[in-house]
Order: sequence, then structure tokens, then C-alpha cells
Amino acid sequence: DIQMTQSPSTLSASVGDSVTITCRARQSIGTWLAWYQQKPGKVPKLLISDASSLESGVPSRFSGSGSGTEFTLTISTLQPDDFATYYCQQHNSYSPLTFGQGTKVEIK
Amino acid sequence: QVQLQESGPGLVKPSETLSLTCTVSGGSITDYYWSWIRQPPGKGLEWIGYIYYDGSTNYNPSLKSRVTISVDTSKNQISLKLNSLTAADTAVYYCARDRRRFLVWGQGTLVTVSS
Repeated sequence: DIQMTQSPSTLSASVGDSVTITCRARQSIGTWLAWYQQKPGKVPKLLISDASSLESGVPSRFSGSGSGTEFTLTISTLQPDDFATYYCQQHNSYSPLTFGQGTKVEIK
Repeated sequence: QVQLQESGPGLVKPSETLSLTCTVSGGSITDYYWSWIRQPPGKGLEWIGYIYYDGSTNYNPSLKSRVTISVDTSKNQISLKLNSLTAADTAVYYCARDRRRFLVWGQGTLVTVSS
């Protein structure tokens, strides 16, 4: 399996801040990476596919980048609705799907 | 648009088998792959496996010996069976559309393994 490691585990920030979450893969996954947002008691929401493709309806303040083994999710100008837990997920064709352990973005 | 609804018992005894169903509405089950994902309370997401309408499957190796995913095209349903349950299998179980990245999810159903 391809282990995915996110950092930090928890991130404290204020409304208006720009925040970056990092996701590292144990081996190269090209750009086969997705990002999800999950709020307590809710279903995960797909934000970004293929490392940098924003899903329809997702605000443009969300952006993704990276390839190979290192990826980032950036939220520019954090909004109150963005406080949530974020997960990366690799979807390399030849490996079982795996998720990162999650990054909780909390209010400072 | 496609909607998914999981159903099944919320409480299962240790060593028994979990059986869940996901009903697909608003679209044909033959159009996509369908996956099961779970999330223990307060923890992260774990992919269980996926199925295509023709019955082809792919399972997480960590669960493969205990998991069976099946499809009933006449009912537009997919099913999950997980045997030899332990407390570690307590989780919210989701069905989701596709096999690689998941845009459409069911609401999830909490399954507790306890005697």
C-alpha cells in the first residue's frame, strides 16, 4: 500500500488567513491525488482531483498542487465555512486506495 | 442526479457478519463503479473495495479475506458483507460512486460491533 502522510495534523488559523496543508506519498503517484473536506457528522466532500483540478462548485480560494510524492492544498483567505478536517487520497491505478490521516483546521 | 442510500443493522455482535445495502437512485448502476468506504468514530477514512455491474471487484488487501461486495442490477443495489467482526470494525460505512475518487457519497450508516 502507498502510505499517505499529512502535515500538520491540526492547524489553528483565523478568518482571512492563507493556510497550506501538505500530503506526502511514500512512493510516486504522479498526480493521482484528491482532496476532501469533511465537517463533523457530515459526508466527505470532494474538492480537488488529479492534484490540482477543482471540482465544480468549489470556491476558487481552494487550490491544489504537486506531483510525485509531495502535494499541497492551499486555502487562501480562510472563511468561517472552511473550518473542517481535510483528507488527501491517492488514487493510483495499481495500488489500493489510501487516505491521509487528516488535517483539522480549527479557529485560532 | 445520482443518490445513494445505505441501509442495514446498526448493531452487530462480535464474530458475526455485517451486511449492508446501498440503493442507487437517479441513475443506472451499470454506468459507474461503486465503492465502500468506512470511518471509525473520530478517525480517518479507509477504502474497503469496489464493484462494477458485471460483478468484477477489487478489495483492500487488509480486509480482503473478510469482505464480499456484490451487485444486484435488477434492484439497483450493491451490498457489503464483512465477516468475523471485532470492535475495530465499528465505523460509519459509506457507499460512494466511482472507484478512484469520490464525488457522490451516501449519507453513511453507523455500525457498532458489540455484544
